[in-house]
Amino acid sequence: EAGVVQSPRYKIIEKKQPVAFWCNPISGHNTLYWYRQNLGQGPELLIRYENEEAVDDSQLPKDRFSAERLKGVDSTLKIQPAELGDSAVYLCASSRTNRDREQYFGPGTRLTVT
Amino acid sequence: KQEVTQIPAALSVPEGENLVLNCSFTDSAIYNLQWFRQDPGKGLTSLLLIQSSQREQTSGRLNASLDKSSGRSTLYIAASQPGDSATYLCAVRRGGSNYKLTFGKGTLLTVNP
Repeated sequence: EAGVVQSPRYKIIEKKQPVAFWCNPISGHNTLYWYRQNLGQGPELLIRYENEEAVDDSQLPKDRFSAERLKGVDSTLKIQPAELGDSAVYLCASSRTNRDREQYFGPGTRLTVT
Repeated sequence: KQEVTQIPAALSVPEGENLVLNCSFTDSAIYNLQWFRQDPGKGLTSLLLIQSSQREQTSGRLNASLDKSSGRSTLYIAASQPGDSATYLCAVRRGGSNYKLTFGKGTLLTVNP
């Protein structure tokens, strides 16, 4: 079974530029999560999807961040415009349901904003 | 607001030693607690999950305990190996309708050959 796939793995951009991250969850997993992990910190949830519905986006900075999961499968997280403080690793995870015991994490996208 | 603290932040041990990683949390109303491993440049791999009604879980050389009333968990690694070198993260999941996962900052473990 393929794991959670994320691309790109690394991204370097200048501040004020837009950037997008893509995630393909494990097949059959209805719940998808985006986390941000700052250096030396644990991951923090940005948004959770149940199928195509964003059910928890309370931690998503909505002025510059947006996300979508149009067909309830893969998802895109966008930042526009990026700021220096957005440099972090962006992790995607999925589970069969939100009540499921296990969340499976992808390798993450390391974003550097210069 | 749930806060998760992990001590120590970093630990270096010689190969073969037994070691304990600590995790504490402020809100004891949790659904479960999970220990993860993160290798450099990689995502998180789940090691052990303890439901709130359980006291401990074991997998191979790993043993995790949970004392929900005191807000503490420990991860015990027996006979450590260089391949155990990684960052170990503790995360608690709250109950109710949200099931949000809150992580600690992790413990960076280095096992020296």
